[in-house]
Amino acid sequence: GAGVSQTPSNKVTEKGKYVELRCDPISGHTALYWYRQSLGQGPEFLIYFQGTGAADDSGLPNDRFFAVRPEGSVSTLKIQRTERGDSAVYLCASSLMAGANVLTFGAGSRLTVL
Amino acid sequence: DQQVKQNSPSLSVQEGRISILNCDYTNSMFDYFLWYKKYPAEGPTFLISISSIKDKNEDGRFTVFLNKSAKHLSLHIVPSQPGDSAVYFCAASGGSNYKLTFGKGTLLTVNP
Repeated sequence: GAGVSQTPSNKVTEKGKYVELRCDPISGHTALYWYRQSLGQGPEFLIYFQGTGAADDSGLPNDRFFAVRPEGSVSTLKIQRTERGDSAVYLCASSLMAGANVLTFGAGSRLTVL
Repeated sequence: DQQVKQNSPSLSVQEGRISILNCDYTNSMFDYFLWYKKYPAEGPTFLISISSIKDKNEDGRFTVFLNKSAKHLSLHIVPSQPGDSAVYFCAASGGSNYKLTFGKGTLLTVNP
């Protein structure tokens, strides 16, 4: 596609539920990143994929968070047993190759946990 | 500990005047710096960047200055236009580290 596409754009869920957020990167971009932006903060790194593998997941806050990219294109961020503190905008970004500093971001998925 | 700091949450300027957005960093390993611009309900979009081997980079109305000794960078927008009104994020990365560390952002409002 022309840009990074994220769905859903908005998700409201109840505490304790399971949530999946999807990212469709720019075609041909091998590197994919997830960031999280909480209210009043800048984006914070969560996880980085190079191809199908998670090259760095050091930013995931705990084991309730997991992400996959099975075919090296679309990625899904999965959050189990959601908590109110998980409420944030989850941003996906992609770049043509690993190590590129300039990332192209999607519009984000706004998650609200009630 | 915030490694990238944008101490001004907001800035208001008149159309046609200069906007100066500031950013400080603490990590000496950072060697590449970027500015992203974000409109409401959109993702951040890349604006301009600078490598630590330079002290200035210019692109049209936008210029980024880097002062490595002070660990400070600034973004100058001249002349400012109402369409420049957005949140501006400063970001940094170090060496082969692909992770970007962002500041909290500065909301720029350009008044007609």
